[in-house]
Amino acid sequence: EVQLLESGGGLIQPGGSLRLSCEASGFAFSSYAMNWVRQAPGKGLEWVSGLSATGFGTFYADSVKGRFTISRDNSKNTLYLQMKTLSAEDTALYYCAKATSGYDSRAFDIWGQGTMVSVSS
Amino acid sequence: QSALTQPASVSGSPGQSITISCTGTSSDVGAYDYVSWYQQHPGKAPKVMIYDVSDRPSGVSNRFSGSKSGNTASLTISGLQAEDEADYYCGSYRGGNTGVVFGGGTKLTVL
Repeated sequence: EVQLLESGGGLIQPGGSLRLSCEASGFAFSSYAMNWVRQAPGKGLEWVSGLSATGFGTFYADSVKGRFTISRDNSKNTLYLQMKTLSAEDTALYYCAKATSGYDSRAFDIWGQGTMVSVSS
Repeated sequence: QSALTQPASVSGSPGQSITISCTGTSSDVGAYDYVSWYQQHPGKAPKVMIYDVSDRPSGVSNRFSGSKSGNTASLTISGLQAEDEADYYCGSYRGGNTGVVFGGGTKLTVL
């Protein structure tokens, strides 16, 4: 079964750090670009970051550039998102999403169920 | 990175057809044939319905179709069914290091 399983979310104080993980199964993980997309409570989708299949192409939304780092371990079929200097505006459900291509993020055909990140004091 | 523009809501009766528009710019929708559409039911993860403007993934009903003209893309759902009631988001590739931009979402109500 094709599946993405996110973990690592939780309640964190403003200014804190958190690392999200996304474990993939059922497809050739190392052949596809992977992404993080978030959705604040009651709001729409916001693309956060993308990473090429090889891990050499990284892309970030302006809202997280310099604070978030995306990475992957193809030997573990796992995608990561290291988040630093978190603020209330980062509160959202974070989805892991598989791209349809190996390099860029043209579309997302597999989504996880998401992991919730809440930033509050 | 401004979001693409979608109507906040659309509605239709069972059996009817509806169209949801998605307006971008010459830097995103108008520049690439990489527009996608996602369906999201409450409390669920998004599901791709259309990618690359008009391609339908395996398993998605042929009642769903996509098109593009200039800077505006459209999703048409024909033969509306109660299960189609959901939020729909468009997304467009923007090239380079700018990734993807989504629309604000459209709530479809089946009357």
